[in-house]
Amino acid sequence: KAGVTQTPRYLIKTRGQQVTLSCSPISGHRSVSWYQQTPGQGLQFLFEYFSETQRNKGNFPGRFSGRQFSNSRSEMNVSTLELGDSALYLCASSPDRGRYGYTFGSGTRLTVV
Amino acid sequence: AQSVTQLGSHVSVSEGALVLLRCNYSSSVPPYLFWYVQYPNQGLQLLLKYTTGATLVKGINGFEAEFKKSETSFHLTKPSAHMSDAAEYFCAVSGADSSYKLIFGSGTRLLVRP
Repeated sequence: KAGVTQTPRYLIKTRGQQVTLSCSPISGHRSVSWYQQTPGQGLQFLFEYFSETQRNKGNFPGRFSGRQFSNSRSEMNVSTLELGDSALYLCASSPDRGRYGYTFGSGTRLTVV
Repeated sequence: AQSVTQLGSHVSVSEGALVLLRCNYSSSVPPYLFWYVQYPNQGLQLLLKYTTGATLVKGINGFEAEFKKSETSFHLTKPSAHMSDAAEYFCAVSGADSSYKLIFGSGTRLLVRP
């Protein structure tokens, strides 16, 4: 059974650009969540999607957005990139909105220069 | 609001020694508790979880943790450390709202000396 797949693994973007990250959950998982990991702030919740609807959002500016498609695949978008957006972005999927835990992907390492 | 405190950003043990990683939580509702491990350049792997039932939880790779409500703790232990256990470990809590989003501690890096 394939795990959570995130693409690309690495990205380098210039300040002011926008970026889209992709996540394919485990087959049958309808819940996808996104987390940001930085050395300074640690692991922080971005948002959760379930059945194509955003169910919860973390404390991030509106530049961070996401969506989920009918096949449960999810994308997150960051517009007007800032240096502080450099981070490891982790996607996690669950069949039950995370009640019994999430399965994480390997992440996308975003570097903003 | 829920929060997690992991005591010790770095823990160093000798190979074969007991591993003890500490986690204390704060929650106004019965918590769901998790331990995840992260190897370099990888995502998070679930080690074990407590949701309901038995308070001593066994996980993968010989790890276990005990939920102690009176102490608001969920410490992670392993009787004998292996070199392959060197990684960063995160304790997390959820359950405060219906989304079960994870609130993570700041992590503990485990170093295993030969």
